[in-house]
Amino acid sequence: DVKVTQSSRYLVKRTGEKVFLECVQDMDHENMFWYRQDPGLGLRLIYFSYDVKMKEKGDIPEGYSVSREKKERFSLILESASTNQTSMYLCASSLLTGGFGRNQPQHFGDGTRLSIL
Amino acid sequence: RKEVEQDPGPFNVPEGATVAFNCTYSNSASQSFFWYRQDCRKEPKLLMSVYSSGNEDGRFTAQLNRASQYISLLIRDSKLSDSATYLCVVNVDGGSQGNLIFGKGTKLSVKP
Repeated sequence: DVKVTQSSRYLVKRTGEKVFLECVQDMDHENMFWYRQDPGLGLRLIYFSYDVKMKEKGDIPEGYSVSREKKERFSLILESASTNQTSMYLCASSLLTGGFGRNQPQHFGDGTRLSIL
Repeated sequence: RKEVEQDPGPFNVPEGATVAFNCTYSNSASQSFFWYRQDCRKEPKLLMSVYSSGNEDGRFTAQLNRASQYISLLIRDSKLSDSATYLCVVNVDGGSQGNLIFGKGTKLSVKP
């Protein structure tokens, strides 16, 4: 079974702090993703990476950065946390696209509920 | 224009009922389709991939209609444990590295 592990289930931080969310997967997946999920808005892609040291902006990258130094680990960084970044953060991974435009399903970690006070 | 649209529900059905969800997508180049299930305050979990010929897994049947650009999920003999939000998922286009677009989900509540 694919295992995607996020470092914290619940996290409380203060406005202005630099926040690190860590994600590790054990299935040698090439692709890794960070989403946030808010009521009524669904899943929104923040950043993704399809290889070590590669990163691409998703739909809402402002206020975030990412790091992928090793294939199995993808970190999300809130440079200066703000209250509007209070959310559920979900990390996911998948195998590289199988060709002909077909995507592999993504597998999610348990999520981190982040509160910024 | 929304890329993946679902009826948010909630669908309130009695145990044993058959319920169907539809989902429409806007990009005709999409090639990959999935249904995920998400329980309250939990992560989304893959329920099934949707193949062009349609596929069945026990009480669950998924179908794809490319001409009309929609996919469907049919649940037969609903159980209390089927109560969850069901997310329709489509890939972004024909050539991306793995990006998927998630619908906002349809909430199902199965009552005794």
